[in-house]
Amino acid sequence: NAGVMQNPRHLVRRRGQEARLRCSPMKGHSHVYWYRQLPEEGLKFMVYLQKENIIDESGMPKERFSAEFPKEGPSILRIQQVVRGDSAAYFCASSPGVGVRNTEAFFGQGTRLTVV
Amino acid sequence: AQSVAQPEDQVNVAEGNPLTVKCTYSVSGNPYLFWYVQYPNRGLQFLLKYITGDNLVKGSYGFEAEFNKSQTSFHLKKPSALVSDSALYFCAVRDPYGNNRLAFGKGNQVVVIP
Repeated sequence: NAGVMQNPRHLVRRRGQEARLRCSPMKGHSHVYWYRQLPEEGLKFMVYLQKENIIDESGMPKERFSAEFPKEGPSILRIQQVVRGDSAAYFCASSPGVGVRNTEAFFGQGTRLTVV
Repeated sequence: AQSVAQPEDQVNVAEGNPLTVKCTYSVSGNPYLFWYVQYPNRGLQFLLKYITGDNLVKGSYGFEAEFNKSQTSFHLKKPSALVSDSALYFCAVRDPYGNNRLAFGKGNQVVVIP
């Protein structure tokens, strides 16, 4: 059972370009979470999705950022018109569902976005 | 809203000595608590969790953590540190009545000195 797969591992974009980050959850997991880790900081929650639904996007910047988790295929975090402040490591996590038995989230290795 | 505090930036310990990484939390109701470890340029690896039951939780790689409700703490411990334990350690809390989102501390860099 492969773990959470994120690609690309490293992404370089020029200011103003678009960045698309992909996340394939663990097999059998229907819940996906995106977190951002800025240098010297902990992880900050961005968005929580289930298949085809955004459950909680309270951590997403209001502009330029969007996320989706379609019925088929990976979850996508999209950043439009990137700026240098978007440079960070973006981590995806997945879990089987809610409830006491499904409490821990499993993380991917992250995508390190560098905006030049 | 739930939150976690990890008061120390870096923890230095000699190899073979006990290791403690501190964490305090704030959440309404009974918390779900987690420790993750991050090695350089890697993702987070789950170490252990407290959901309910015994206050002393045992996890991976010889780590354990003690839940203390009165002190709202969940300190991570290892009786004898290894050089390979050098990494970044994150404490996280989840509101059991929330939607699974985790609130992370800022992390503690652990350096085990040979």
